[in-house]
Parts: sequence; C-alpha cells; structure tokens
Amino acid sequence: DAGVIQSPRHEVTEMGQEVTLRCKPISGHDYLFWYRQTMMRGLELLIYFNNNVPIDDSGMPEDRFSAKMPNASFSTLKIQPSEPRDSAVYFCASLGPQETQYFGPGTRLLVL
Amino acid sequence: DQQVKQNSPSLSVQEGRISILNCDYTNSMFDYFLWYKKYPAEGPTFLISISSIKDKNEDGRFTVFLNKSAKHLSLHIVPSQPGDSAVYFCAASAAAQKLVFGQGTRLTINP
Repeated sequence: DAGVIQSPRHEVTEMGQEVTLRCKPISGHDYLFWYRQTMMRGLELLIYFNNNVPIDDSGMPEDRFSAKMPNASFSTLKIQPSEPRDSAVYFCASLGPQETQYFGPGTRLLVL
Repeated sequence: DQQVKQNSPSLSVQEGRISILNCDYTNSMFDYFLWYKKYPAEGPTFLISISSIKDKNEDGRFTVFLNKSAKHLSLHIVPSQPGDSAVYFCAASAAAQKLVFGQGTRLTINP
C-alpha cells in the first residue's frame, strides 16, 4: 500500500487566491482527518469524516475553509480566499487498526 | 485552551543515554494516549500508545508511562540512538477517533 497520498507537496500562492489541497486515504480506512501544523499552535485537527460524512468540523478556522469527501478514496480541503496567516503544513490522515492514524507527507502552503 | 501540553520545545541527549519526553493533559475524559514521531518533510508516524487502564506500555527501546492522578505521561527511550532525533508529539483521545496533539518536542541525540 502506498500510504496516505497528498498533493501538492508544496504550494505557493498569493493572498486572495483559491487553494485546493488533495488527499487519498489508505484503502479500506473509514475515517479521514485534516490537520494543520503551525509553530504557534502545533498540530490542530480541522475536520474529520467517517464513511465520507463530515463528523466534526469544529476545528475549521472560518468560513474561508471548506472540506469535502465525495468518495471513499478522495478528499479536498479548500481555502478561498487564502490569507498569509493560512501559511502552514496541512496533513491528511486516515484511521487504521487499533485506532492508529496514518499520516500523509503533508502539503506545505505559503500564502504571500 | 491547550488540553495537551508538551512544555519542553527541545531536548538534547547523549547517544546511549536515556531520553525522557514529558506530556501533561487537562481533560480527565481522555482515555487513550499516543506518541507520534516526525522527521522533517514527512508526516507523523505512530510510535507507541497506552490505554488509561494501564500505567506502562513497553515496545523495545520505547516505554510510555501514564500517571492518571497527575494527568501526566512520559516517553522513555533507552538507549537513545542518532536515528531517534526527530520531533515527538504526544496525543490524547476521549472518543476513539479524535486526537488532540501537544505542541511537540524536538529531540536531538548527540553522538
């Protein structure tokens, strides 16, 4: 298995632009999580899905952020419009056996 | 409100000695605790976990201790090796799937 796949690995954009981050979870994993890592706040859970349905989006910072999971093998996190304070590393993870989360390599986002 | 805290941003240890990483939590509903390890440019990887019904769990060179009364857990690595240099995240869960992470501790093992 290739593990959790995220794209792009790096994204540089200008303030006001739309950003879309993509994630493919490990096949057979029913839960998918989106996290954001910053120096100030560490790893924060933004939203998670179970069987493609959003369960808890209380960590989504504001309406500029949205996430979808149209099927079991694909999820997107969208920021529109992006702002410099959104610069961070965004991780996707899926839940495997024994409640262990498997993380993707992350997308490093820089908003200028 | 930081429910899981790792108060040491960094730790430096000599190769072969013991590394002790600490983590405190405030939510008494947490019943499952994990440690993740993260190398640069990679996602965190699971290292070891412990349920609240235990006070110790061991896996090779890694041991996690849980003190529920103090709401404190620690990760012991012995002996420490250069490949252990990474950022270590403590995480806790009150409902099996949702994890709350600490800020992370950067461990450096010196040869």
